[in-house]
Amino acid sequence: NAGVMQNPRHLVRRRGQEARLRCSPMKGHSHVYWYRQLPEEGLKFMVYLQKENIIDESGMPKERFSAEFPKEGPSILRIQQVVRGDSAAYFCASSPGFAEQYFGPGTRLTVT
Amino acid sequence: EDQVTQSPEALRLQEGESSSLNCSYTVSGLRGLFWYRQDPGKGPEFLFTLYSAGEEKEKERLKATLTKKESFLHITAPKPEDSATYLCAVQAGSSGSARQLTFGSGTQLTVLP
Repeated sequence: NAGVMQNPRHLVRRRGQEARLRCSPMKGHSHVYWYRQLPEEGLKFMVYLQKENIIDESGMPKERFSAEFPKEGPSILRIQQVVRGDSAAYFCASSPGFAEQYFGPGTRLTVT
Repeated sequence: EDQVTQSPEALRLQEGESSSLNCSYTVSGLRGLFWYRQDPGKGPEFLFTLYSAGEEKEKERLKATLTKKESFLHITAPKPEDSATYLCAVQAGSSGSARQLTFGSGTQLTVLP
């Protein structure tokens, strides 16, 4: 039973480029969450999605960041016009409902 | 605002030397408290969920307990492979945002052989 899958595992972008991070939840899980771990900081919630719906985006920066979880395919976290402060590890988690969340291996974004 | 504080920040133990990690929390309407283990360069690995005061869960050398204000992760006779950062997180509230996890900053455990 495959766990949460994220790709790419490492992503390097120059300032001003776009970053696209993908997440495939565990089989049978319809709830997806994105968290960010900045260097020397803890994990911070960004957004919670179900299929075709954003349920809670209270942790998402107001500009440049967006997320989607389409009917078919993985969840996507998109960061437009990246800046150096966006460099971090981005983790996706999934759950079958109101239960524990299972995390993927993360995407490490480096902005040069 | 939900707050989670973990202590100590770092802990060094000799192999076999038992100890406890603390997680204190301030939330409105706790739905669950979660313990995770995170190894360097990897995602958090789920360990336990606790829902109500007095609840206890065990797995191998680890035992998690919960009171109304804090949780403890007891490590009995640790081995070097238990070295990792242990994260505590809470889920609270009754609205749609109740699903987000609020994490503490973690305890970095090092077990020396």
